Amino acid sequence: GAGVSQTPSNKVTEKGKYVELRCDPISGHTALYWYRQSLGQGPEFLIYFQGTGAADDSGLPNDRFFAVRPEGSVSTLKIQRTERGDSAVYLCASSLRQGVGNEQFFGPGTRLTVL
Amino acid sequence: DQQVKQNSPSLSVQEGRISILNCDYTNSMFDYFLWYKKYPAEGPTFLISISSIKDKNEDGRFTVFLNKSAKHLSLHIVPSQPGDSAVYFCAASSRAAGNNRKLIWGLGTSLAVNP
Repeated sequence: GAGVSQTPSNKVTEKGKYVELRCDPISGHTALYWYRQSLGQGPEFLIYFQGTGAADDSGLPNDRFFAVRPEGSVSTLKIQRTERGDSAVYLCASSLRQGVGNEQFFGPGTRLTVL
Repeated sequence: DQQVKQNSPSLSVQEGRISILNCDYTNSMFDYFLWYKKYPAEGPTFLISISSIKDKNEDGRFTVFLNKSAKHLSLHIVPSQPGDSAVYFCAASSRAAGNNRKLIWGLGTSLAVNP
């Protein structure tokens, strides 16, 4: 595809449930980022992949959050035992290479609502 | 503790006039700065960036100015158009993170350009 795609666009779940959010980066982009944006805030960094490996997961709020990128392309963000405070827009971005000057292209986001 | 600050939540300008959006930062390790534009229900779209070795970068109607000593940058849009109405985010990345160019974001400024 032409840009970063994310599915689903909206996800409503109940407290305590498990959810998976998917990101398809731009073809050929090696760097992939997940961010979370709460209402009225700027995006906050969650995790960074270079290729298949999570190079920096320091932004994940706790061990209920996990992300994978097994083939170096599609990534899945997984949230266990969801809580109401997890409600936010989850944004995925990719860039052609790692390092400075490589613009990050964002997907439209997945809006997660935990009831 | 906001490392990137956008102190104006909103700005309103007349079509054809100049829009000036401001951003301040506290982390002296930031060496790359970006402006993103965001429409509702869409992901952020890259507008323009500037490296810390420069003090100005221009792209069409958009110019970003960087004052390192003041830890301040600004985005100028001239002339402003109604289609520029959106939320503008200032973001920065740090050389301390190496190749991980995770972005640290401000809270955004909502620009309204009135016809």
